Amino acid sequence: DTGVSQDPRHKITKRGQNVTFRCDPISEHNRLYWYRQTLGQGPEFLTYFQNEAQLEKSRLLSDRFSAERPKGSFSTLEIQRTEQGDSAMYLCASSLELSATNEKLFFGSGTQLSVL
Amino acid sequence: QQPVQSPQAVILREGEDAVINCSSSKALYSVHWYRQKHGEAPVFLMILLKGGEQKGHEKISASFNEKKQQSSLYLTASQLSYSGTYFCGTAFDYKLSFGAGTTVTVRA
Repeated sequence: DTGVSQDPRHKITKRGQNVTFRCDPISEHNRLYWYRQTLGQGPEFLTYFQNEAQLEKSRLLSDRFSAERPKGSFSTLEIQRTEQGDSAMYLCASSLELSATNEKLFFGSGTQLSVL
Repeated sequence: QQPVQSPQAVILREGEDAVINCSSSKALYSVHWYRQKHGEAPVFLMILLKGGEQKGHEKISASFNEKKQQSSLYLTASQLSYSGTYFCGTAFDYKLSFGAGTTVTVRA
């Protein structure tokens, strides 16, 4: 068990550029989540996958955001035409499905995005 | 809708106790607690399920009052290692919604 890994750890980009982040979950975990965290706030849900199926996206998630999890393994989160408001820590988490209310999430260390 | 935590911050000396509260406007079936140290990922502490109280993780325990839609996290005889930001999370349809967090600073 090597934990959840995210790449890159830091990303600095100019407004209008596209960025892509990668998350490798714990291998036997079938659920994968993306969260966004800004300074002084708790993680905010963005989207989640069960295996390769994307089951839900937050209503707050702009169309500029897209996520994939091909073959139910690693996941990518892409942000197109970045804006300064996209600057945040993007956290990935994985879990074994237990029930709708009884899941233990394992978080990665996150990707810190700075949009200039 | 995210749960509300209080206080926003607390400063303790080693050995002191503290309570962190978490409340929700929605009916709760479970409450999750995580701790995040500066620059690190949130780490799972415990889950409290409806009708139960769970102890785990050092001298940190929690209670869950589903009628009041509240949970409290108890830090007993705090240690330096307890410093960090504590988040409660409420689960609906496989999604955890987190509170804004309570920052705990334990000083020697």
